Amino acid sequence: SQTIHQWPATLVQPVGSPLSLECTVEGTSNPNLYWYRQAAGRGLQLLFYSVGIGQISSEVPQNLSASRPQDRQFILSSKKLLLSDSGFYLCAWSTGVVFYEQYFGPGTRLTVT
Amino acid sequence: QQQVKQSPQSLIVQKGGISIINCAYENTAFDYFPWYQQFPGKGPALLIAIRPDVSEKKEGRFTISFNKSAKQFSLHIMDSQPGDSATYFCAASKNTDKLIFGTGTRLQVFP
Repeated sequence: SQTIHQWPATLVQPVGSPLSLECTVEGTSNPNLYWYRQAAGRGLQLLFYSVGIGQISSEVPQNLSASRPQDRQFILSSKKLLLSDSGFYLCAWSTGVVFYEQYFGPGTRLTVT
Repeated sequence: QQQVKQSPQSLIVQKGGISIINCAYENTAFDYFPWYQQFPGKGPALLIAIRPDVSEKKEGRFTISFNKSAKQFSLHIMDSQPGDSATYFCAASKNTDKLIFGTGTRLQVFP
């Protein structure tokens, strides 16, 4: 069966520091991968998605970037965090038609201080 | 055109009752309508999804009702249990376009 991992689970970072969040998927090959951000009590905002290694589509221009160095690995990064980057970051995967039937990971709670 | 409007924002139901959450959309090109369940501090879990060629889909105590002419779809939770207390999100997508999520409904089921 498929499993999705995210780490770290929680992170507290000062403004201006770099960020690296990692997501890996097991039990499937060539998945579509997604990064979302969820503000407290709010819906989900798509940040990036990838349909293959090295293929990244950005939905929202901001100081975040994403990379997919391996088939089942998706990384979210920032060179300098802003206070507004605080939130709950979720990685998701799907197979087949992109955006359909997405399965989410456990999330990373990021607090920028 | 791209919005999915979800109501109510919060819902309190007695154990054993029926919970009903509604979503409305404008874009008639949407062809995939999932519902997600999210517990505090956890990632959303895909609960059930429907395509517009059927008017209803049932999985256990969860049912999606779909009204294409009214551009509405709803989630019904039969025999609601305290363990169903969570936030529920509807969403919609069309043909390889991103999921558009509703704003969520916080459901509380009391014994």
